[in-house]
Amino acid sequence: GAGVSQSPSNKVTEKGKDVELRCDPISGHTALYWYRQRLGQGLEFLIYFQGNSAPDKSGLPSDRFSAERTGESVSTLTIQRTQQEDSAVYLCASSPTGQGTLNTEAFFGQGTRLTVV
Amino acid sequence: GDSVTQMEGPVTLSEEAFLTINCTYTATGYPSLFWYVQYPGEGLQLLLKATKADDKGSNKGFEATYRKETTSFHLEKGSVQVSDSAVYFCAPRAAGNKLTFGGGTRVLVKP
Repeated sequence: GAGVSQSPSNKVTEKGKDVELRCDPISGHTALYWYRQRLGQGLEFLIYFQGNSAPDKSGLPSDRFSAERTGESVSTLTIQRTQQEDSAVYLCASSPTGQGTLNTEAFFGQGTRLTVV
Repeated sequence: GDSVTQMEGPVTLSEEAFLTINCTYTATGYPSLFWYVQYPGEGLQLLLKATKADDKGSNKGFEATYRKETTSFHLEKGSVQVSDSAVYFCAPRAAGNKLTFGGGTRVLVKP
């Protein structure tokens, strides 16, 4: 597709359930980011994938959060045993990497709004 | 690690007022610098960028100059409109290409 696609756009889940969020990056983009944005707050970095390198997981808030990416394609963010404080918009972004691309912007999806009730 | 400090909002202005949003950063190496904007109900989009010292990024009447000596990238607009009401995020992108965002500054322009 032309842009970063995230699904679902909205998700309501019961506390304690697991959820899986999906991100389809722009084709050819080797870098992929996940961020969390709570209502009225800034962007909280979660995880960063860059090509075949080990992902930077330093932003994952707890071991209930995990993410995978196969090659340079789709990524899934999984939240296990959801809690009410997990309610937020989860944003995915992708960008090219490699020499000459340092000044290239990251492109964001529209996000998945997660509500834990 | 890299970090960004933005002035806290909300910033409330009248139409045609001058807007400045301060941003300072720490980053490894020689980062590129970006300002992103998030309009109400919309996703993040790039507003402008600068890739080397003294470069000026500009778009939609907004400007920001890459100041390496002060590690700053302040955003300015000479005459804001109601349509500029949004949240603005400063973001350096350093070696390793990881984007680091500031906390965002909410701007509200009143007619």
